[in-house]
Amino acid sequence: NAGVTQTPKFQVLKTGQSMTLQCAQDMNHEYMSWYRQDPGMGLRLIHYSVGAGITDQGEVPNGYNVSRSTTEDFPLRLLSAAPSQTSVYFCASSYSRGLGNSPLHFGNGTRLTVT
Amino acid sequence: AQTVTQSQPEMSVQEAETVTLSCTYDTSESDYYLFWYKQPPSRQMILVIRQEAYKQQNATENRFSVNFQKAAKSFSLKISDSQLGDAAMYFCAYRGMEYGNKLVFGAGTILRVKS
Repeated sequence: NAGVTQTPKFQVLKTGQSMTLQCAQDMNHEYMSWYRQDPGMGLRLIHYSVGAGITDQGEVPNGYNVSRSTTEDFPLRLLSAAPSQTSVYFCASSYSRGLGNSPLHFGNGTRLTVT
Repeated sequence: AQTVTQSQPEMSVQEAETVTLSCTYDTSESDYYLFWYKQPPSRQMILVIRQEAYKQQNATENRFSVNFQKAAKSFSLKISDSQLGDAAMYFCAYRGMEYGNKLVFGAGTILRVKS
C-alpha cells in the first residue's frame, strides 16, 4: 500500500518557469489537499478538493492551480515560478465521511527552490 | 477564521524525562478535532495523537498524552519517558466542521532530546 505519493522529491526552477507537482493516493480518499511549509509559519493550505471535479482555494492560493479529474490524482501547477514560492510542499489526503476525525495522510514532501 | 498558536519555538528535554508542549487555538465552533503531528528530520508528517472536542477524557497513546482544556482553548502535549527518537518538530493542528474541514496548523515547536 503506497499511501500518498509525491513527485519529485526535489526541484530547482528559474524564475518564470512553470512546473507541476504530482500527487497520487491509492486509499480511495475523497479529500485531497496541498500545503506549503515555511520556517516559522507551519503548514499553510494552498488548495483542496472534496472529490473528483471539485476544487477550492485555501489560505495561500495565488500563483498555483489545481485540478481533480480523478479520485486518485491531485496535481499542483506553478504557473510562473517566483522566489517567494521556494518552500516544501506537501500533499495530504483523507476520507471525507467522518471528515473531522479522519486524520490526514501526508506524502513525503517536495522541496522546491526558485532562483 | 481559526488560528492555532504554539508559543514555544524550541524546547529541550533530558532523555527519560517528561516534557510538555503548549498549544492554544481560537475558534467559535463547538465541535472540532485537534491533532498533534510529529515531523522528524526525514520530513515525514506522522500523526501522534488526536482529540475530539466533544470528549472530556484526554486522549493518550502510549507515552503521549494531551491536556485538553476546552474552555481555555488549550491543547498541550505531554511526552513521558522521552527518547532520542522523539526529537522532531511538533505541530498542533485544528480541524473544524465547516465546509472543507480545513486543517489549520500552528507554527511548530522543535523538540531536542539530550542524552
